[in-house]
Amino acid sequence: DTGVSQDPRHKITKRGQNVTFRCDPISEHNRLYWYRQTLGQGPEFLTYFQNEAQLEKSRLLSDRFSAERPKGSFSTLEIQRTEQGDSAMYLCASSLGLSDTEAFFGQGTRLTVV
Amino acid sequence: AQSVSQHNHHVILSEAASLELGCNYSYGGTVNLFWYVQYPGQHLQLLLKYFSGDPLVKGIKGFEAEFIKSKFSFNLRKPSVQWSDTAEYFCASRNSGGYQKVTFGIGTKLQVIP
Repeated sequence: DTGVSQDPRHKITKRGQNVTFRCDPISEHNRLYWYRQTLGQGPEFLTYFQNEAQLEKSRLLSDRFSAERPKGSFSTLEIQRTEQGDSAMYLCASSLGLSDTEAFFGQGTRLTVV
Repeated sequence: AQSVSQHNHHVILSEAASLELGCNYSYGGTVNLFWYVQYPGQHLQLLLKYFSGDPLVKGIKGFEAEFIKSKFSFNLRKPSVQWSDTAEYFCASRNSGGYQKVTFGIGTKLQVIP
């Protein structure tokens, strides 16, 4: 499968614990996006990378959230001191660095904070 | 900030009925527009996209959408739905330029009854 890969698919954690998710984009894609989707809502933008540079962050991304893309390939999203409100599906997407291309999405990581 | 409005949150149709899902976007400049579909248990997939040119765009599985700039609309249509079209449909927009984030609507759940 050469699509966007996310790991893990599901994560259950206790409130206050830290969690880290990984995204492997399509290999030639230099843009990578993180989105969050809660029940009954569309995906909400969190942050975006062009290669290893984080170019935009949403105000939804509190200081408990951090994302990295150290070598411009895979990316990680870490949530520290998780809260119940962090429970959501976290989606990763990637795209080519061209103006007429779309983003391709992974299957997401479903986080449940108990 | 951009926003995308989807007017129908839950639509139930019988097989062979015609479908039209409404979508309006807020950005007044040049936009790229998308419809994504999410089948049960699967990741978001692109149905169709509009960047420029012919405002009537055709996508996969017999879907089409019409960009009407004066109405800020990008409605999705299909003349005859099938049971396999049961899914959630998301309209999305992006400032043209390609590197800006994609803003999604809330989604429309379509249920097609055999």
